[in-house]
Amino acid sequence: NAGVTQTPKFRILKIGQSMTLQCTQDMNHNYMYWYRQDPGMGLKLIYYSVGAGITDKGEVPNGYNVSRSTTEDFPLRLELAAPSQTSVYFCASSYSSGVAGGWDEQYFGPGTRLTVT
Amino acid sequence: AQSVTQLDSQVPVFEEAPVELRCNYSSSVSVYLFWYVQYPNQGLQLLLKYLSGSTLVKSINGFEAEFNKSQTSFHLRKPSVHISDTAEYFCAVKETSGSRLTFGEGTQLTVNP
Repeated sequence: NAGVTQTPKFRILKIGQSMTLQCTQDMNHNYMYWYRQDPGMGLKLIYYSVGAGITDKGEVPNGYNVSRSTTEDFPLRLELAAPSQTSVYFCASSYSSGVAGGWDEQYFGPGTRLTVT
Repeated sequence: AQSVTQLDSQVPVFEEAPVELRCNYSSSVSVYLFWYVQYPNQGLQLLLKYLSGSTLVKSINGFEAEFNKSQTSFHLRKPSVHISDTAEYFCAVKETSGSRLTFGEGTQLTVNP
């Protein structure tokens, strides 16, 4: 298994441009997540999905959009990029049975380093 | 709402010295606790977890953490560190009935020769 893959690894955007960060997992996980990591700030949840066709906002969703048309893919869309979106973006996935009290280890991709200038 | 505080942003130590990375959490309900490790230019990997039962949990590479409910802490320890332990370590909390992890701000562990 490749696990969680992300493309591109690096990207430089100009202010106002748009782009899509790709994320694919081959573990048949139902949950997928997008985080951003800023120095000294830990990871902040942007959006997550509990299954194909279902998405929900995390802590910092403004300026981003997601879709989940298949189990494997969870792309993150940036519209009108701003310098505040300069960050490292991580996609993660996990399997949850949905039973209350269950837990699920999240598996992370290698990240996309995005600079907006 | 749950929150996590990692009390040290950077911890430099010498090789073979003991180390403790401190983590405190806040939650009004039962939680699961995790430590993740991030090596340079990589994603996060699960290091160890506390779900229930014994309050002392161990990883395969010599780290251990103890859940202390009264002090709401989950400190990570290793009796003797190696150069290869140099990484950023994140403490995370999840409510037992929830689906989201909340991460601390991270502690950069640097092991010097």
